[in-house]
Amino acid sequence: AQSVSQHNHHVILSEAASLELGCNYSYGGTVNLFWYVQYPGQHLQLLLKYFSGDPLVKGIKGFEAEFIKSKFSFNLRKPSVQWSDTAEYFCAVKPRNAGNMLTFGGGTRLMVKP
Amino acid sequence: SAVISQKPSRDICQRGTSLTIQCQVDSQVTMMFWYRQQPGQSLTLIATANQGSEATYESGFVIDKFPISRPNLTFSTLTVSNMSPEDSSIYLCSARNTGEETQYFGPGTRLLVL
Repeated sequence: AQSVSQHNHHVILSEAASLELGCNYSYGGTVNLFWYVQYPGQHLQLLLKYFSGDPLVKGIKGFEAEFIKSKFSFNLRKPSVQWSDTAEYFCAVKPRNAGNMLTFGGGTRLMVKP
Repeated sequence: SAVISQKPSRDICQRGTSLTIQCQVDSQVTMMFWYRQQPGQSLTLIATANQGSEATYESGFVIDKFPISRPNLTFSTLTVSNMSPEDSSIYLCSARNTGEETQYFGPGTRLLVL
């Protein structure tokens, strides 16, 4: 079975700082990768996804993520965070063509100070 | 994309009682799922709700505790039976269509068991 690790549980940044949230997964086969975001009081929303092709994917609100197959990683980045980026971020993995299970990492709670 | 609603949005229940959570999707979807997000933790898949047949439960979850119904392609219910304080959690409904890899989530039902 697959598993997902997010290394940072809590991150505090000042506005305009750069962000990188780590995500590593373990699974021997091909996977689809996702980052979801949960803003305070709101439901889980898809931020970006990677299925195939260019390993650098761009999502909404200036976020991007890079899939590095050799490192089993899919780190999320943003060059300059805003206060409105305060949220919890979840990395998720689904094996391609193998069952239904979307497995989530433990989440990273980001607080951006104005 | 699919828009998912859940009822109730939150509830406070006494131990030993049961609560049924409803999930409505704005379009027909082939797959529906129920997740649990315990305080401070990530999302864990409880079961896949199968239309017209018994749900498929993940390890650690059983039908007697979490009975699930899925009478059609847009609606599902999850019942949390004989509740204890350990069942206090957020319960999320999710949906995806076969052949699509993106999974959508409802707003969640926040349950507190006293």
